[in-house]
Amino acid sequence: AQSVTQLDSQVPVFEEAPVELRCNYSSSVSVYLFWYVQYPNQGLQLLLKYLSGSTLVESINGFEAEFNKSQTSFHLRKPSVHISDTAEYFCAVTRVGGGSNYKLTFGKGTLLTVNP
Amino acid sequence: GAVVSQHPSRVICKSGTSVKIECRSLDFQATTMFWYRQFPKKSLMLMATSNEGSKATYEQGVEKDKFLINHASLTLSTLTVTSAHPEDSSFYICSATQGAYEQYFGPGTRLTVT
Repeated sequence: AQSVTQLDSQVPVFEEAPVELRCNYSSSVSVYLFWYVQYPNQGLQLLLKYLSGSTLVESINGFEAEFNKSQTSFHLRKPSVHISDTAEYFCAVTRVGGGSNYKLTFGKGTLLTVNP
Repeated sequence: GAVVSQHPSRVICKSGTSVKIECRSLDFQATTMFWYRQFPKKSLMLMATSNEGSKATYEQGVEKDKFLINHASLTLSTLTVTSAHPEDSSFYICSATQGAYEQYFGPGTRLTVT
């Protein structure tokens, strides 16, 4: 079984400041890792994913995450946030190769609030 | 591409009645669909996994007779909350896959039981 820990339930920052949302996972098998973003009263949108290859993955809107196998982490970063980045962010994993139809295991989420 | 819709987006029903929520993959065939429940300020809780043409697999603690899931075609899955009660009020989200790792999520349905 897998588990995901998001260490911060809330992260308030000022606009244009850098931010890091932390995610650690536990798994006895190899996993794929994901970050999803959820705006109020909406479903989840995939922000970025790590499957294999380069451990640094980037999204089109300036977020990046780095897979660190030794620390079992997949922290999300952005060098300069905007008000529009205010949302709930979920880290998730699924085991490589499927099994259980690629069920996702989610962290509890981190509410990023960007203040002017 | 890979758009998933849910209908309705919001529904209010009286206690004791049943309500059906639809989840559709609009531009792809979904071999597997998932149903989640999200409580306020909480993460997503997987309720069940459904594969087209077969019975849904429910997670531990989820009442099969209360949350009826039907995956009748490769583009449609439905969740019926039977004999709804106020404690069933929640945000229900579905997702769909094409048999691989990536899940595409619907916009969610807000259910309020009065």
